[in-house]
Amino acid sequence: KNQVEQSPQSLIILEGKNCTLQCNYTVSPFSNLRWYKQDTGRGPVSLTIMTFSENTKSNGRYTATLDADTKQSSLHITASQLSDSASYICVVSSASGGSYIPTFGRGTSLIVHP
Amino acid sequence: DGGITQSPKYLFRKEGQNVTLSCEQNLNHDAMYWYRQDPGQGLRLIYYSQIVNDFQKGDIAEGYSVSREKKESFPLTVTSAQKNPTAFYLCASSPGQGAFQPQHFGDGTRLSIL
Repeated sequence: KNQVEQSPQSLIILEGKNCTLQCNYTVSPFSNLRWYKQDTGRGPVSLTIMTFSENTKSNGRYTATLDADTKQSSLHITASQLSDSASYICVVSSASGGSYIPTFGRGTSLIVHP
Repeated sequence: DGGITQSPKYLFRKEGQNVTLSCEQNLNHDAMYWYRQDPGQGLRLIYYSQIVNDFQKGDIAEGYSVSREKKESFPLTVTSAQKNPTAFYLCASSPGQGAFQPQHFGDGTRLSIL
């Protein structure tokens, strides 16, 4: 069964600090991995998407890494801001028979305090 | 600006009542999806549609129904057969169901039982 596990479940940091969120997956065959940011009461917004051959991708202060061998990804947030307070969701997709099948993690809830 | 519009933002259902959640997109996307989000859980796929007049059941379709009469619209009906309908419902779309197509999400409808 395809699974995506995220850690920690929740995280509290001070404004200006860095943090790293983890995503481990057992999805096969692997197609791509995406990180989403979901503000409270809103829909998820895509931050990054990585394929098998990519191991780092940045979007502003967000940097995602992918190790396809160990089936791990991380999302690093640099110089956190209050607006970074949100849930961060890791989604790993497999491609089979022309279909696109995403498996969603439960998310990491990040709170940034002033 | 192109995007996905879900309405209403909040919806209340009485016991034994069917309710319909609206999802409209102006992105000219072929594929549309409905997900359910419960606290502490990953998104779960209810139904998806790759083309007009065609749709497929997702992982938790029981108690739900959909239609896809127009490319822009993919309404979800929560029937009285759905015994635990209280959740946050998210509609999404993508250009196709190919493996590398990003998914755009609406801002959700929160359904509660009176």
